[in-house]
Amino acid sequence: DQQVKQNSPSLSVQEGRISILNCDYTNSMFDYFLWYKKYPAEGPTFLISISSIKDKNEDGRFTVFLNKSAKHLSLHIVPSQPGDSAVYFCAASEGSPGTSYDKVIFGPGTSLSVIP
Amino acid sequence: EPEVTQTPSHQVTQMGQEVILRCVPISNHLYFYWYRQILGQKVEFLVSFYNNEISEKSEIFDDQFSVERPDGSNFTLKIRSTKLEDSAMYFCASSGGTDYGYTFGSGTRLTVV
Repeated sequence: DQQVKQNSPSLSVQEGRISILNCDYTNSMFDYFLWYKKYPAEGPTFLISISSIKDKNEDGRFTVFLNKSAKHLSLHIVPSQPGDSAVYFCAASEGSPGTSYDKVIFGPGTSLSVIP
Repeated sequence: EPEVTQTPSHQVTQMGQEVILRCVPISNHLYFYWYRQILGQKVEFLVSFYNNEISEKSEIFDDQFSVERPDGSNFTLKIRSTKLEDSAMYFCASSGGTDYGYTFGSGTRLTVV
């Protein structure tokens, strides 16, 4: 039962362009969404989060958009840089970290390649 | 920058043996987690731990698994009798209970032969 889906296993983007990574979820109880980046042989690194009361959160080159009615979120990276090449995981939780419902469910990941 | 430390980085064990994976979370964090990633698959939640007890666990976390925070700094995952399908990358994570997500360790690669 895939509660968090990332339908594109991979994505290639030219350096300087926008990278858009998409994520869909099925559990309407999810209240908090996160994006993690992962390099080989390392643990996931937290990138950006958004709670369900917002539809957009921006942090530098990274912006996350949430469309709750469509159960869809996306991560935009502008401009994309070669160092952004990694696997990006969308994740969701029924509560923010530290609450009773902070079990985070990860999507399968999208491998982003930024071509110089 | 504070980090979560996991040891060992790679553990090979025989099927049926007990293994203990160790983690040192960030010192002022209060919430601790174990996740695992089987090769080629997604990162899966195992267990969360707060105030010296398990707060949530997944169906993967059966009676063969246990967690402990024995001394206020280490956070361990024990697998009592390992199976071949336990081979995976195990990630420890900790959180201060803020909106900044978890901090993950670099993982322990467990290989059961």
